[in-house]
Amino acid sequence: AQSVSQHNHHVILSEAASLELGCNYSYGGTVNLFWYVQYPGQHLQLLLKYFSGDPLVKGIKGFEAEFIKSKFSFNLRKPSVQWSDTAEYFCAVRSNQAGTALIFGKGTTLSVSS
Amino acid sequence: DAGVIQSPRHEVTEMGQEVTLRCKPISGHDYLFWYRQTMMRGLELLIYFNNNVPIDDSGMPEDRFSAKMPNASFSTLKIQPSEPRDSAVYFCASSLAANYNSPLHFGNGTRLTVT
Repeated sequence: AQSVSQHNHHVILSEAASLELGCNYSYGGTVNLFWYVQYPGQHLQLLLKYFSGDPLVKGIKGFEAEFIKSKFSFNLRKPSVQWSDTAEYFCAVRSNQAGTALIFGKGTTLSVSS
Repeated sequence: DAGVIQSPRHEVTEMGQEVTLRCKPISGHDYLFWYRQTMMRGLELLIYFNNNVPIDDSGMPEDRFSAKMPNASFSTLKIQPSEPRDSAVYFCASSLAANYNSPLHFGNGTRLTVT
């Protein structure tokens, strides 16, 4: 069965600090990987996704993530966070077979102080 | 497109009562997912449908939970009887399998409080 681990439950940063959120998954086959963001009181929105090709993917709002197959990891990064990045971040994985369900990690709460 | 529409946004009910959550997926999407979000367990997949047929309901916690999708534009998640531990935010999401690059589109969720 697929599973996703997000090691940081709560990260607190000052504005302009760099961010890296860890995500590891377990699955025996080929996977697609996602990062979603949930701003306070809102629904989940897609930040970025990896299907194939360049393992460094860029998403919205300056976020990027790197897929390292040998480490089963898909860490999210941003060079300089802003107060508006305060949100909960979810890593998710699914089999590359069309139509299978996304399995989410438990999420990481990011708090950015101005 | 109006996106995935869930109702109600908030539901407060007493233990033992029946609760019905509703979802209208994005028109044309052929997959529909129900997730539950709690502080302790994060986002859990409860059940998902393809072309109105339940594909995997292994995440449904107990027989008190049931979900239906009578047509392509409507799904319900029912809890009967409800218990305080069912308090959570329930999200519905839909996607289009034919467009494999299509991500999940989430509704705004229903915040359920069982007292």
